[in-house]
Amino acid sequence: DGGITQSPKYLFRKEGQNVTLSCEQNLNHDAMYWYRQDPGQGLRLIYYSQIVNDFQKGDIAEGYSVSREKKESFPLTVTSAQKNPTAFYLCASSRGDLPTEAFFGQGTRLTVV
Amino acid sequence: AQSVTQPDIHITVSEGASLELRCNYSYGATPYLFWYVQSPGQGLQLLLKYFSGDTLVQGIKGFEAEFKRSQSSFNLRKPSVHWSDAAEYFCAVGGRGYQKVTFGTGTKLQVIP
Repeated sequence: DGGITQSPKYLFRKEGQNVTLSCEQNLNHDAMYWYRQDPGQGLRLIYYSQIVNDFQKGDIAEGYSVSREKKESFPLTVTSAQKNPTAFYLCASSRGDLPTEAFFGQGTRLTVV
Repeated sequence: AQSVTQPDIHITVSEGASLELRCNYSYGATPYLFWYVQSPGQGLQLLLKYFSGDTLVQGIKGFEAEFKRSQSSFNLRKPSVHWSDAAEYFCAVGGRGYQKVTFGTGTKLQVIP
């Protein structure tokens, strides 16, 4: 079955730690995206990548980093510089520049403890 | 700048009743418009999309939406709601490429027996 897999589903981070959220897709999509979702705020774009080895900042990139070494994988690191990281994180992919359907993963809920 | 407004944060309907979720957008050209649904703790799933052509769009799960350029609206409708439709619904607008898509803040639908 084709789709996007995010792991872990729940993640707890201590103050000052970096954590990495995994996102893997087997849809052969060129474009991948990371969103942050907070109650009442909809989805906000963190980073996106349209091709391997290239990525761009979204609207709220501060305190986050990404890599795109493989087409299938787009991990997100939440660094200690992100002051309010508790949120629901969604990864998505699409075929590219066309406005086609975006496929979303099941999300990772990150909580700072 | 483009924007999406979903004026209803929360809507409650009885099972079997009709449903209309409102979406108003601001966009400088002919927009690409989407409706997504999200079950609690899950990712988003595309219900329907409008790119061009017939302004009444049919989607999955019995949903439809009508694009009204004069009113800058793209309201989602369903003639008879089922308990399984309880979820959060997001309207989105944008151009080519999901990095250019703006999501609304969502409408949470509650279905009562």
